Amino acid sequence: NAGVTQTPKFRVLKTGQSMTLLCAQDMNHEYMYWYRQDPGMGLRLIHYSVGEGTTAKGEVPDGYNVSRLKKQNFLLGLESAAPSQTSVYFCASTVRGRQTETQYFGPGTRLLVL
Amino acid sequence: ELKVEQNPLFLSMQEGKNYTIYCNYSTTSDRLYWYRQDPGKSLESLFVLLSNGAVKQEGRLMASLDTKARLSTLHITAAVHDLSATYFCAVDLEANSKLTFGKGITLSVRP
Repeated sequence: NAGVTQTPKFRVLKTGQSMTLLCAQDMNHEYMYWYRQDPGMGLRLIHYSVGEGTTAKGEVPDGYNVSRLKKQNFLLGLESAAPSQTSVYFCASTVRGRQTETQYFGPGTRLLVL
Repeated sequence: ELKVEQNPLFLSMQEGKNYTIYCNYSTTSDRLYWYRQDPGKSLESLFVLLSNGAVKQEGRLMASLDTKARLSTLHITAAVHDLSATYFCAVDLEANSKLTFGKGITLSVRP
């Protein structure tokens, strides 16, 4: 049971390049999230998914796209990277019920856009 | 505008003493989360508070939620160095899994 994993751990991009960040979880969770964390800030939600085949926008979705073709994977895409997207990206998954909830975060992906 | 505010943003604590940190939010919610983050690391879930009056304890940390006051407190008993970290609270303000985070409180425990 690996929990939540993210690929890659670190990446440097040039402005305008594209890339995809992969989040995978082996806990059969329905809910998955992509956040970004900038210095001195809390996490801000980019996109999220409440189940396979569904996605929704979070607080800061511009410049990102996502897909959830398989329940265990949640992909975050940057079509044309900008320096403002330099950040640490965290993926999370959760089982959510009326009386219980546990959230698991991945280790993060550090992205530098030059 | 939905807001989650934490205060203070930085707290220097003396070993062995008790402290309380606060998280308040701007609209009704009955789901509040506390996380811990060590420098350069990911977030670790500490507590999930799912109803008014909820209280949870783990070791030297105790979290409570007052939904009427829109306030959560994290009480630290007899601070130790291992508790040095940044603590975030987050609220599900729209009850739809969209979490809004506070900016975090950095705790530093000194001898």
